[in-house]
Amino acid sequence: KAGVTQTPRYLIKTRGQQVTLSCSPISGHRSVSWYQQTPGQGLQFLFEYFSETQRNKGNFPGRFSGRQFSNSRSEMNVSTLELGDSALYLCASSLFGGASYNEQFFGPGTRLTVL
Amino acid sequence: TQLLEQSPQFLSIQEGENLTVYCNSSSVFSSLQWYRQEPGEGPVLLVTVVTGGEVKKLKRLTFQFGDARKDSSLHITAAQPGDTGLYLCAGNGSGNTGKLIFGQGTTLQVKP
Repeated sequence: KAGVTQTPRYLIKTRGQQVTLSCSPISGHRSVSWYQQTPGQGLQFLFEYFSETQRNKGNFPGRFSGRQFSNSRSEMNVSTLELGDSALYLCASSLFGGASYNEQFFGPGTRLTVL
Repeated sequence: TQLLEQSPQFLSIQEGENLTVYCNSSSVFSSLQWYRQEPGEGPVLLVTVVTGGEVKKLKRLTFQFGDARKDSSLHITAAQPGDTGLYLCAGNGSGNTGKLIFGQGTTLQVKP
């Protein structure tokens, strides 16, 4: 079974631009969560989608948004990029999400650099 | 707010030594996962512990979940250079949610 895939793997943008990242979950998984990883803050939860609905959201500004399609693939968008948005963006999928043991399987991430 | 504190943050040891990484919280977690991450890659799930007092072994790695489900530990016996990486503990957020709360991580370097 193929793992979680994320595209693109690397991205360089300038301040003020917007960016869209894509995530394809493991086949059969219906929950997709997004995380931001930085050296200073570690892994921080952005949001989770389940059956095309945002089920939970972390403490990030409204510039960060996402969506999920009927095939469970997900995209996240960051508008008006800031230097501080430079990070590794990780997508994780799980079978249902929210189970008593929430095992999530991560993709390789998208390294975003904002200049 | 649920928080997980990991210690130590950095660990540099010689091949063959033993080590323990701790993950502590004041909150109860319904489950806790341990991940290992290599530079430029996503975290890889090592184990999930669910029951208080549970002990799981994965070759030279031993994982324990505290009786009160507020803490966990990872013990590595006879560490090898291949064990080098970032070790992360993550707890299930409260409620029916797909949110994982991560500790800050422990960077382990095993020197040959």
